Amino acid sequence: DGGITQSPKYLFRKEGQNVTLSCEQNLNHDAMYWYRQDPGQGLRLIYYSQIVNDFQKGDIAEGYSVSREKKESFPLTVTSAQKNPTAFYLCASSSPFSQNTEAFFGQGTRLTVV
Amino acid sequence: RKEVEQDPGPFNVPEGATVAFNCTYSNSASQSFFWYRQDCRKEPKLLMSVYSSGNEDGRFTAQLNRASQYISLLIRDSKLSDSATYLCVVRRASKIIFGSGTRLSIRP
Repeated sequence: DGGITQSPKYLFRKEGQNVTLSCEQNLNHDAMYWYRQDPGQGLRLIYYSQIVNDFQKGDIAEGYSVSREKKESFPLTVTSAQKNPTAFYLCASSSPFSQNTEAFFGQGTRLTVV
Repeated sequence: RKEVEQDPGPFNVPEGATVAFNCTYSNSASQSFFWYRQDCRKEPKLLMSVYSSGNEDGRFTAQLNRASQYISLLIRDSKLSDSATYLCVVRRASKIIFGSGTRLSIRP
């Protein structure tokens, strides 16, 4: 089955530690995205990538880093510089804009920093 | 100002009612538009795309007004299962931007 896999589903980390969230897709999509969602809020764009070895900052990139070494993978690192990292993190992928398609989401990772 | 603005909600309506959600976007270069549905503690899922000519999918009707930069979603004969958060989504090139969502609760 084609889809997007995020792991782990739940993640607990101590304050001050970096943590990396995994996102893998087998939909052959070029574009991939990371969003953050806080309780009762919408999705805010952290980073996105249109193609391998290229990515752009979204609206709330501070304290986060990404890489796109393979088409299938777009990991997100939450660094110690992120002031309030506890949130629901969603990864998505999409076909290139020319195909005018929507984003497909993974099931998300709930990160709790204690 | 947010690039995509939605009715804040929440909407609490009886089963069988008709409910309408509105959304505005600020960037005229926006090119594709969607409504997503998100259930509690789940990922968003596509409800429907929105076209300039308007489009309908069963009880759901979406409209786009490019001149006013306005998108709407109408739900007729609402069901208990329609209770969710509805997200307005705008695509500009490869950037996909979500509104903050409108929460809908349908009561028996």
